[in-house]
Amino acid sequence: DGGITQSPKYLFRKEGQNVTLSCEQNLNHDAMYWYRQDPGQGLRLIYYSQIVNDFQKGDIAEGYSVSREKKESFPLTVTSAQKNPTAFYLCASSRPSSGEGEQFFGPGTRLTVL
Amino acid sequence: KNQVEQSPQSLIILEGKNCTLQCNYTVSPFSNLRWYKQDTGRGPVSLTIMTFSENTKSNGRYTATLDADTKQSSLHITASQLSDSASYICVVSAQVDYKLSFGAGTTVTVRA
Repeated sequence: DGGITQSPKYLFRKEGQNVTLSCEQNLNHDAMYWYRQDPGQGLRLIYYSQIVNDFQKGDIAEGYSVSREKKESFPLTVTSAQKNPTAFYLCASSRPSSGEGEQFFGPGTRLTVL
Repeated sequence: KNQVEQSPQSLIILEGKNCTLQCNYTVSPFSNLRWYKQDTGRGPVSLTIMTFSENTKSNGRYTATLDADTKQSSLHITASQLSDSASYICVVSAQVDYKLSFGAGTTVTVRA
């Protein structure tokens, strides 16, 4: 898991609630990423940030929001607009913002909608 | 259609045996290919990375091969151990935007 921490490990959400997943890294990496992992599918990119105060949508950004106020932190909010949020969420970071660098992953947060 | 296809979806092997996992990709232009190991409920951890000019790379009992002409890679696990039980994910990076394409993974179960 390197120097990336995610919390909480398990999260339960009721219908209509917004929830925020935490991701912190102490690797001094410029780039950070959020992925969603569903059974039988490859990881899908939700949002990524190459530098503080800047972020871009990934392939499945609808229903999610992020912020990048500090280099070390990249929290993900799952809003009520996300219709099927139950999944395993992975945060990653890499040194080169170009994407060539290896991505280091956190331990993940499993979100379940009740 | 996913640009990275892995096979088999899952396999079961006895401890001490060898196995080979396959990865076919259509990502172009190709930059590099990585194999990650993901234990259940954990984040993926990098095993190997190969660029266009490399056709084999080892990391302990893990050996990855790459054929950039046929766009195929394999991951060979030698003398499997119970701790090798995990999902193995093939990840391909495109040269243009360095976007990563992930395979769905192969779940390996090693039994005593």
